[in-house]
Amino acid sequence: SQTIHQWPATLVQPVGSPLSLECTVEGTSNPNLYWYRQAAGRGLQLLFYSVGIGQISSEVPQNLSASRPQDRQFILSSKKLLLSDSGFYLCAWSGLAGTYEQYFGPGTRLTVT
Amino acid sequence: AQSVTQLGSHVSVSEGALVLLRCNYSSSVPPYLFWYVQYPNQGLQLLLKYTTGATLVKGINGFEAEFKKSETSFHLTKPSAHMSDAAEYFCAVSDISGTYKYIFGTGTRLKVLA
Repeated sequence: SQTIHQWPATLVQPVGSPLSLECTVEGTSNPNLYWYRQAAGRGLQLLFYSVGIGQISSEVPQNLSASRPQDRQFILSSKKLLLSDSGFYLCAWSGLAGTYEQYFGPGTRLTVT
Repeated sequence: AQSVTQLGSHVSVSEGALVLLRCNYSSSVPPYLFWYVQYPNQGLQLLLKYTTGATLVKGINGFEAEFKKSETSFHLTKPSAHMSDAAEYFCAVSDISGTYKYIFGTGTRLKVLA
């Protein structure tokens, strides 16, 4: 079966510090991968998606970047965090043959102080 | 362009009462539709989905939803609310181009009263 991992689970970082959040998927190959942000009291905003290694599409111009160095690894980064980067970050994957749904990881709670 | 509207950001029901969470969509092509549930500080869990075929779909935890093309709706229902149903619920429509990107609604927080 497939599983998706995210780490860290929680993170508190000062403004101006760098960020690296990692997401890995097990049990499938060549998945589509997604990063979402959920700000307090708001819905889910798609930040990036990837259909293959090195292929990244950005949905919203912002202070963040994403990379996919391996087939089942998706990394969200920032060089300098802003207060507005605080939120709950969710990674998801899709592409299970014959299906269209996305499967979500447990999330990372980021607080920028 | 696709869009999703969830009417009511907060819904309260009594335990044992009917749960009805509303979702309307806009799509120029036949949509794929999904309902997810999110418990505090957790990821999203798929409740049910509509892709093709039967318009009444049943999901986990006793939930079901009916795809009504004429009303562009995909409302989520459960005959009898349980305390454990208290959570946030998201409706989503999928891009069918191969990226499977979702457009999410803004969510409905369900409160179940004892």
